[in-house]
Order: sequence, then structure tokens, then C-alpha cells
Amino acid sequence: DVKVTQSSRYLVKRTGEKVFLECVQDMDHENMFWYRQDPGLGLRLIYFSYDVKMKEKGDIPEGYSVSREKKERFSLILESASTNQTSMYLCATTFGRRQGGVDEQFFGPGTRLTVL
Amino acid sequence: QQQVKQSPQSLIVQKGGISIINCAYENTAFDYFPWYQQFPGKGPALLIAIRPDVSEKKEGRFTISFNKSAKQFSLHIMDSQPGDSATYFCAASSSSGYSTLTFGKGTMLLVSP
Repeated sequence: DVKVTQSSRYLVKRTGEKVFLECVQDMDHENMFWYRQDPGLGLRLIYFSYDVKMKEKGDIPEGYSVSREKKERFSLILESASTNQTSMYLCATTFGRRQGGVDEQFFGPGTRLTVL
Repeated sequence: QQQVKQSPQSLIVQKGGISIINCAYENTAFDYFPWYQQFPGKGPALLIAIRPDVSEKKEGRFTISFNKSAKQFSLHIMDSQPGDSATYFCAASSSSGYSTLTFGKGTMLLVSP
């Protein structure tokens, strides 16, 4: 079974703090994704990575950065947390882009971040 | 620009009834349409998916109906059970590029006993 783990289930930070959210997968998947989930807005893609040290912006990258130094680990960084970044953050992985195919995304349990 | 529109936002169905959730998309490059199911406190998990070369796909009590000309697809849950109470997301992707998913806003389904 694919296992996607996220460093914290709940996190409370103060405005202006630098926040690190970590995601680790154990199935040698190539692609990793960070989403935020807000009520009534669904899942919105922040950043994704298709290889080590590679990253691509998603739909809402402003205020976030990412790091992927190792294949199994993908970090989401809030350089200076703000209250509007209070949200549920979900990490997901896929095996890789198959020829003419789309892979199932496997999600972690999420980190609920509150910025005060 | 919302590329995948999902309705309704919430749905209450009696046990044994049929739950229907609808989605519409705009991007004609989309060629993969999955549905994800999310229980409280969990991440979403793939429920069922369809490609536009077929108009219907059934897995147990769950069926996707797909209308390519109308750019619409829907999830039908037959004989709905209280254990089906969850949030459902439709999504769409193109097999070109990096195959990122564009999600609908979700539907909270409650199946009453």
C-alpha cells in the first residue's frame, strides 16, 4: 500500500512566522503535489514536483514555496505566515506520467494549519 | 476561472435512495475524469474514474455517466448507505503535460438512516 505521511495533523502558528510542512512517501513515486482545501472552494493546487529539485507552480502559488531535495520528501514553506493561509493542507503523490495515461493521486491525511 | 463546476454543494439522501452529483467542464483537452471520496479527518481517495471513450462506467453501486458533447459527467450512487456519507470531489485532467488534476468544489453527501 502507498503510504503518504504528513509531519503534523494540527499546527498553530503566529502571523509572520516561517512555517514548514513536510510530506513523505514510501513508494518511490515521481510526482508530488501540495493542495490547500477550504470549505466551498474544494482542493486547489499550490505547487507540484515531477522530479528531485524540480518544481512547478500550481493555481495558487503566491505566498508559498516548495523544496524537494530527496525523491521521497516534498516540503511546503510559508515564508511569512498570514491569517489567510489558515487552511487544510494536503499532500498527494503519483507514480509518474505514463505514456497517454494519468495516474491515481494518493493523498496524505492532511495538516490543519491555523495562523493567529 | 473555474474549470470544473460541481453541483450540488450538499445533498441529503435517504438510505436506499440514489445519490446523484453532477460536474461540468470547459477544457476540451481533459481526457480523464476521476471521482474522489473524502471522509472526515482523511485525505481524499480515488473512488472511480472514466475516460471519454466510454459513456458509462460502473463499479459496484457507483456509476459514472459521461456526456462528451455536453461536457458533463455525473456520479450515481445506487442504494445509498450511511457509510457513503462523505465529501465527493469530481476532477479532470489531461494526459498531456504533467497530468495535474483540476477539482470541483466538492459535494457533502449525508445519507440518513
